[in-house]
Amino acid sequence: SQKIEQNSEALNIQEGKTATLTCNYTNYSPAYLQWYRQDPGRGPVFLLLIRENEKEKRKERLKVTFDTTLKQSLFHITASQPADSATYLCALVSGYSTLTFGKGTMLLVSP
Amino acid sequence: GAVVSQHPSRVICKSGTSVKIECRSLDFQATTMFWYRQFPKQSLMLMATSNEGSKATYEQGVEKDKFLINHASLTLSTLTVTSAHPEDSSFYICSARATDSTGGLYNEQFFGPGTRLTVL
Repeated sequence: SQKIEQNSEALNIQEGKTATLTCNYTNYSPAYLQWYRQDPGRGPVFLLLIRENEKEKRKERLKVTFDTTLKQSLFHITASQPADSATYLCALVSGYSTLTFGKGTMLLVSP
Repeated sequence: GAVVSQHPSRVICKSGTSVKIECRSLDFQATTMFWYRQFPKQSLMLMATSNEGSKATYEQGVEKDKFLINHASLTLSTLTVTSAHPEDSSFYICSARATDSTGGLYNEQFFGPGTRLTVL
């Protein structure tokens, strides 16, 4: 069956460090992959999209990589700040253009 | 940027009543809107896809007679939870996908802030 796995344990890092979150998937051939941020009690906010033929995408302090051989995406936040603390969701888009979400990983950045 | 609103943000109702949730795209036209449900510490689960002017497409296991979806205009979709029961208590989130000037769909979905439904 199709599966999207994100680390269920919260990631705790210190301010200024780089946070790296992982998204692994099985039994999917996604056309592209998206990363979202979700704060408690709020809807997700779109961050980045990366297509299957792209290896890396950057936006300000954010960087996403996509390895279709490993079936993995890595999401990096450089120079992390306490305001970056949130749950980060990866979502895959396949042929029907619907999003399938992972459970998300909570990031906690301490000052 | 594209903004999607939802109303109400929170609703508490008695078992057996119906609840309507509105989803609006405020500054763009959304041919397609999506409804998700999220239980605590779980992923967003797609319930249905709604296209303006046509019937919604429901995901497997979602009762279409219980979760009525109407997408009457390019900026408004509604989800009505009929005869709500405590197990319907959840966080309901809508999203909208914009069309570009050629009628093509953007890949990005814009999410509403969510509606917390509690059924007593």
